[in-house]
Amino acid sequence: DAMVIQNPRYQVTQFGKPVTLSCSQTLNHNVMYWYQQKSSQAPKLLFHYYDKDFNNEADTPDNFQSRRPNTSFCFLDIRSPGLGDAAMYLCATSRRTSGTLNEQFFGPGTRLTVL
Amino acid sequence: GIQVEQSPPDLILQEGANSTLRCNFSDSVNNLQWFHQNPWGQLINLFYIPSGTKQNGRLSATTVATERYSLLYISSSQTTDSGVYFCAVTTLKAAGNKLTFGGGTRVLVKP
Repeated sequence: DAMVIQNPRYQVTQFGKPVTLSCSQTLNHNVMYWYQQKSSQAPKLLFHYYDKDFNNEADTPDNFQSRRPNTSFCFLDIRSPGLGDAAMYLCATSRRTSGTLNEQFFGPGTRLTVL
Repeated sequence: GIQVEQSPPDLILQEGANSTLRCNFSDSVNNLQWFHQNPWGQLINLFYIPSGTKQNGRLSATTVATERYSLLYISSSQTTDSGVYFCAVTTLKAAGNKLTFGGGTRVLVKP
């Protein structure tokens, strides 16, 4: 089945130690997103790629970076995790055609713990 | 930006009961999705419904775009329906591909 895959499902890191979360998709979608979700809150968009074009949300901290080496993969890099970065990180994909954004599909998420 | 409000914020149901969740949005939209977030945190797509009515088993949804609201109906609720239900929209006016989420409705179905 076509799907969005995230690895690892659980990640523990130390304060200030860089960490990378990965996302892959078999849907051949041209848009990939990273969301951050903290407890009892709605997901919050960090940034997205439309093909190779990177789009950062205005309030996304510089500590968060992303890479999309090809259509199938997208990475979230947290350069110096703080305690406030502990959250669920969700990857999503969609297909954008002729200016219309279609349905978004989410991966299972990576739950990040910062010690 | 667009505002998305969901009601009620919390809902407790007895197994077998029916319920209606509401999503109001403040501007025209070109995409509206309903999600169920399970206890493990995964967002499951329920409906992609920018307008009209759709049904999938015990769930159905209606979006009245001209009046800027959508409803999610759960019939004969089961304990597995517990979790958080999110409504999310994209707006015709905003640039980019951003889904704006409502605050969610937390549903607990008791056996």
